[in-house]
Amino acid sequence: AQSVAQPEDQVKVAEGNPLTVKCTYSVSGNPYLFWYVQYPNRGLQFLLKYITGDNLVKGSYGFEAEFNKSQTSFHLKKPSALVSDSALYFCAVRVPTDSWGKLQFGAGTQVVVTP
Amino acid sequence: GAGVSQTPSNKVTEKGKYVELRCDPISGHTALYWYRQSLGQGPEFLIYFQGTGAADDSGLPNDRFFAVRPEGSVSTLKIQRTERGDSAVYLCASSLKGGTSHNEQFFGPGTRLTVL
Repeated sequence: AQSVAQPEDQVKVAEGNPLTVKCTYSVSGNPYLFWYVQYPNRGLQFLLKYITGDNLVKGSYGFEAEFNKSQTSFHLKKPSALVSDSALYFCAVRVPTDSWGKLQFGAGTQVVVTP
Repeated sequence: GAGVSQTPSNKVTEKGKYVELRCDPISGHTALYWYRQSLGQGPEFLIYFQGTGAADDSGLPNDRFFAVRPEGSVSTLKIQRTERGDSAVYLCASSLKGGTSHNEQFFGPGTRLTVL
């Protein structure tokens, strides 16, 4: 069965420090991986995706993520966090054998960036 | 340009009632998805439309749930005989193409359904 896990319910960092949000997956074949961010009372916003090619993917708002096939991980990173980065972050996987493109999401990680 | 819109933003109903939730996707997007997000969880897939047809409804929890997209744009999610367990945020997403494309999905703000 396919699954995606975000092992941390919450990540707390001080502004200016590096931010890492972890994601691991269990999927047969080569997955397509996505990160979304959710602000209160707003829909999910797309940050970045990995389809193929370079393992380091750069996305919106200074975020990047590294695909690691051997560790089945796709951690989200930002070198210097901002207070405005405080939000709920979701990792999602698309099963490559699925013909219709539906996403399977992790439970989410609440990021808190303190001033 | 306008993003995905959903109405109403909040819906409170009584157990056993019928509700309709509307989604207006981004213009030109052929693929439309419905997800349900329960408190403290990530979104869970319900149904996918490619054009007017429901290509994948494997996520619908039971036959009380139904969705339509008659003209290939606006979609309505319909829930009959609502139960308290249906309370959740219902999210709609659209993408330029669905199927095997790699297009990202753009999400609406959701409809928060509360069944009393």
